[in-house]
Amino acid sequence: DAKTTQPNSMESNEEEPVHLPCNHSTISGTDYIHWYRQLPSQGPEYVIHGLTSNVNNRMASLAIAEDRKSSTLILHRATLRDAAVYYCILKSGGYQKVTFGTGTKLQVIP
Amino acid sequence: DAGVIQSPRHEVTEMGQEVTLRCKPISGHDYLFWYRQTMMRGLELLIYFNNNVPIDDSGMPEDRFSAKMPNASFSTLKIQPSEPRDSAVYFCASSQFRDTLSEQYFGPGTRLTVT
Repeated sequence: DAKTTQPNSMESNEEEPVHLPCNHSTISGTDYIHWYRQLPSQGPEYVIHGLTSNVNNRMASLAIAEDRKSSTLILHRATLRDAAVYYCILKSGGYQKVTFGTGTKLQVIP
Repeated sequence: DAGVIQSPRHEVTEMGQEVTLRCKPISGHDYLFWYRQTMMRGLELLIYFNNNVPIDDSGMPEDRFSAKMPNASFSTLKIQPSEPRDSAVYFCASSQFRDTLSEQYFGPGTRLTVT
């Protein structure tokens, strides 16, 4: 599986934007970039995914570099409820298996 | 929909005992996954099923672990005999194949403690 690299932890002030980076230099042309997050004491939940173009949904935005070797998950206004571990995952189109790395633990400071 | 349902939520057992974890996936989902999460190893995929058939069990740690999916609405993960190193949170997830997306929906997990 292609590997992703994320910082172990990040901090953000409440109500400010957060940019969570992910490096995936060995990404293949068929790999989609997926983001999940895991709130404390819960199972992971899907956040967003994309292939080449930037994507927006109600939870977040995903900015993908032109060479696709990196991406950034953007939370536009961090709230205390956004404190979680964020996982960046590569997933081939029709393939169901995903591998979770260590993720980035986001701390939101009031 | 109630989401993915797991039972029990907490299980404490003694070493050597048999443990059975249960999962009910979201109705209509054709994939079911079992994961294990520990501080040391993070979130690991143990096995996954498609239409009740095991597809990849390469993550099952050893013969003490077994998983079944007798029908589309029920799966079990069994550990026999259990050992202290099996203590972890076990998550079940389900998904519906949709080409590029197929997001997985996770249950609340079962926290297993083996003493």
